[in-house]
Order: sequence, then C-alpha cells, then structure tokens
Amino acid sequence: DTEVTQTPKHLVMGMTNKKSLKCEQHMGHRAMYWYKQKAKKPPELMFVYSYEKLSINESVPSRFSPECPNSSLLNLHLHALQPEDSALYLCASSPGSGISYEQYFGPGTRLTVT
Amino acid sequence: KNQVEQSPQSLIILEGKNCTLQCNYTVSPFSNLRWYKQDTGRGPVSLTIMTFSENTKSNGRYTATLDADTKQSSLHITASQLSDSASYICVVSAWRGGSYIPTFGRGTSLIVHP
Repeated sequence: DTEVTQTPKHLVMGMTNKKSLKCEQHMGHRAMYWYKQKAKKPPELMFVYSYEKLSINESVPSRFSPECPNSSLLNLHLHALQPEDSALYLCASSPGSGISYEQYFGPGTRLTVT
Repeated sequence: KNQVEQSPQSLIILEGKNCTLQCNYTVSPFSNLRWYKQDTGRGPVSLTIMTFSENTKSNGRYTATLDADTKQSSLHITASQLSDSASYICVVSAWRGGSYIPTFGRGTSLIVHP
C-alpha cells in the first residue's frame, strides 16, 4: 500500500457542527501533516506530527484540533468553523525526518462551511 | 521571511513542445527543493526532490535543476502531453522544530493544447 487516504472526500457542515476529517497511511511513515488549501493558492501548513507527537502548530485557531491516535492515523477535529474555513484539506506523510524524505499527499477533503 | 517565487504564473503551449518553469527562493536554512504536479481538486504528486549537493534530477520527461548559489531552480518538461496540464508547485524546505517545514510557491498553471 503506497498511498495516503482521506475521508470523507467532501464535507458540508454548519457553523455549529462538530465533524472530523480522517487520514490514513500504511507505509510505515512516521511524520504526518495537515495542510489547508484555498482555491488557486498553494497549500498552507497547519500541523506536523512526528512519531505521533505534535511537533509543529502553525498558529492554527483552536477550532481545528488535530489528533494522532497511532502511527497510521491522523484526525482533524472541527468545531464552530467559519465560512472562510471552507477549503481543500490535505493530509501528507513522510517516512521520517531525513533530508531527502518525500512527502506523499492524499487526495484531500473538500470542506464547505455554511 | 522564507519565500518561494515561481514564474511564469501561467503558461499555454502546444502539445509536443518543451517548456521551462522557474523557481526562486529565499528559504533558510535550505534543506531540500521539490517539484510537485497538482491537478485541480487533487493532492500534489511529487515529481522530483533535490538536496543541496544535487544539481539535476530527472523523472521521465521532467528534469529539474538546482543552483544553490543563486537559489534558483527550474523544471523542464519535454515533449509535452495533454495530461501535463496542471499546476506545478515548487516547494523548498527548512529544518525547524525537529521537522522539515515546507514553503510552497504559488505554482505555475500549465495548459497544453492539442
């Protein structure tokens, strides 16, 4: 298995809802990432998990809450989002912290906040 | 502030022609440079990755170059195909907080016409 999977593919939620995005990889990678991408813009890094520990939080609002239950799974819990949070949310993983390690991206979850 | 600038912003070429995309960066300390291809609404797919000591890296019809002195990279696409139509993103990483933190360029939108 050489891919990163993300579910759901699409999500529509109201501003008072609580939902979660899920990312999974079975490549034995030890680093996992969440990105947010608005239309026609490059991805923006949100969080980095290294060996199941949060190592980077790029000053993301607390309405986004990441969780890494094990080395294969990364969740992003969403609560009280705003319409401007509508975007493509990308998950990525990499084997570890080596200088030439590649990041493998999932297909993304298209989130719409109404 | 770490920045990655790409040019041109968009490019239209005829099928079978070659093209070259440019990337200039001011990321420090430099760790690696990657080129990704991203289809609309999908996650980026890696084309090449280069570290400080590498000048050229090829992947099929894609050839990337890196000049670490001038902080410039290029992606050359030969014998373009309709399926090459996509956004091409240059990503430069710096080591921070125990992880390689990427800075994304805004991408070059390539359209290949028959």
